[in-house]
Formats: sequence, C-alpha cells, structure tokens
Amino acid sequence: EVQLVESGGGLVQPGGSLRLSCAASGFTFSSYWMSWVRQAPGKGLEWVANIKQDGSEKYYVDSVKGRFTISRDNAKNSLYLQMNSLRAEDTAVYYCARLGPMIADYWGQGTLVTVSS
Amino acid sequence: DIQMTQSPSTLSASVGDRVTITCRASQSISNWLAWYQQKPGKAPKLLIYKASSLESGVPSRFSGSGSGTEFTLTISSLQPDDFATYYCQQYNSYSGTFGQGTKVEIK
Repeated sequence: EVQLVESGGGLVQPGGSLRLSCAASGFTFSSYWMSWVRQAPGKGLEWVANIKQDGSEKYYVDSVKGRFTISRDNAKNSLYLQMNSLRAEDTAVYYCARLGPMIADYWGQGTLVTVSS
Repeated sequence: DIQMTQSPSTLSASVGDRVTITCRASQSISNWLAWYQQKPGKAPKLLIYKASSLESGVPSRFSGSGSGTEFTLTISSLQPDDFATYYCQQYNSYSGTFGQGTKVEIK
C-alpha cells in the first residue's frame, strides 16, 4: 500500500525557516517524480514544487523561488521541503504527492504550517 | 505561466442530477489535464487523468473530455458522496497549475 506521511509543520515567525519531510513507503520511491502542493486555509490548491527521480531537475512556483528548496534522499525514501524567509502568505497545509507520471496519484495527509508572530 | 480557470465556482445540485464543470487553460495543454475531488479536511483524490482517462476505482459516473484549452468534468448522476470540491490541474514535468475549484453543494 502506497503511503506518504508528512511531518515538520508548525508555528514559525515571519522570516523564519522550517523543513518539511515526507516519508514514503509501499512503492519504489526512486522511480517517481515527487511534488509538494499547498492549500491555504479555506482556499484552493497551489502547486509548489516538483523534483525528478534522481534530484537532477527541480521546478518551483514563482512565489517560492529563491526561498524554498525541494530535495530527496532515495536511500531513506524521503522527500523534503526546506522553507526559508517564510511569509504570512505561506501559511497552508502542505501535501506531498507522488507523480505517476506527472499526475499526483497519491497524496499524504498534509502538515500545517502557520507563519505568524 | 499557464493559468487555469474553472466555472462555475459553486454549483447547487440535487441527487440524480447531471453535473458539468468546465476548465479552461490560458494556452493549449494538449490533453495533459487531471481532475481531483476534495472533501473537507482530506487530501485530494485523483479522478481523471489525461483529460478523459478514469483512475482505477473511480465510479463510471465520472467522465472527462476535452483537449487543447477547454475541458469538462461530468458526473452523470450525482450521488450523496459526490458533494465536494473539484479541481482541474494542468500538468507537465515543470509545473502543475490548479484551477480555483468548484464546490458542488446540495440544492
């Protein structure tokens, strides 16, 4: 059974940093592109970033370029999102998703990030 | 950047109704379009991919059509479990823009 479990969310002050993790199981993690998608409270879905199987290609939505970094550790079956210079508008539930292929066919349950002073 | 526009934003319907949601892309995306269903407090669920391919396990009352810039999601006979918010998404390796969502409410 495919499982994606996010962790690392919490309350952080504006300008702060947070690192999200996503533990994958039930499939060959190293064979899939992976993605982060977020959803602000009461709002729609927003694609954040994609990463290729070997980490050699990474793509970001314009609003997080230069502040967020997606990465992965295939030996640990884990996906990460390093978030720096956080802003109030980054407050959201962050989901990791498997792209199979290019479509988010499996999603985690999400982890809430709140940016507030 | 490719923009996705869904309509309507909210739709009121009754059980048994035929429901259609439209999604328009700001430029041609061929058939690289997916539809998701999301219920409150839950992760989205994939319904349709490649514009018209039904994901395994999804009831056949859901169907998708379109190519280029205009796409539709149709629910042939709305069931109580279908009241939810629906999102379209264009996808490729370097981006995955979502529409703003369509909430299907009970009339």
